[in-house]
Amino acid sequence: DGGITQSPKYLFRKEGQNVTLSCEQNLNHDAMYWYRQDPGQGLRLIYYSQIVNDFQKGDIAEGYSVSREKKESFPLTVTSAQKNPTAFYLCASNQGGADTQYFGPGTRLTVL
Amino acid sequence: AQSVTQLGSHVSVSEGALVLLRCNYSSSVPPYLFWYVQYPNQGLQLLLKYTSAATLVKGINGFEAEFKKSETSFHLTKPSAHMSDAAEYFCAVELNTGNQFYFGTGTSLTVIP
Repeated sequence: DGGITQSPKYLFRKEGQNVTLSCEQNLNHDAMYWYRQDPGQGLRLIYYSQIVNDFQKGDIAEGYSVSREKKESFPLTVTSAQKNPTAFYLCASNQGGADTQYFGPGTRLTVL
Repeated sequence: AQSVTQLGSHVSVSEGALVLLRCNYSSSVPPYLFWYVQYPNQGLQLLLKYTSAATLVKGINGFEAEFKKSETSFHLTKPSAHMSDAAEYFCAVELNTGNQFYFGTGTSLTVIP
């Protein structure tokens, strides 16, 4: 059945290490998004991609990087430059524009 | 500038009572508006959305929301709260830019038996 998968669900990393979060969708959506969620702050946009091989920075892109080599995949790398990486990360996709976004189950990253 | 504001980070209601979660947006043109629900450690699930059709929008699980342009509001309501409604609720707006959604800070709903 169609949907968005994120893996792993929980991730622990040592400070200073880069880590890549996976996001895959089989909804044939053109657009994909990465959000960061912190308590009391709602969702903040990190990066988004409207089409393969193209992506734009969101409001809090510093310390993160992405790639969009395939339509169904939009991995997010949290680099050592991200000062406070511990958070809940959510991936979403839609057909573009104002179409409803569909969310994955999220990855909780904890940096020790 | 804040595009969407949710008043009240925590709301408690008794089981069977009316649920009212507030959302106001700031936009000179009517945007697209969404309400999502999130259960602990899960992704967001769409409850309902407004896309410039009927101003009263009905969603899943008995929820509905009314778009009021004069008040720039899109409040979420449910006539009778159920224990399973306890969750975090997010209002979101797409400002007709075609590419970005803005989310409120969320309202945590507690249902008291």
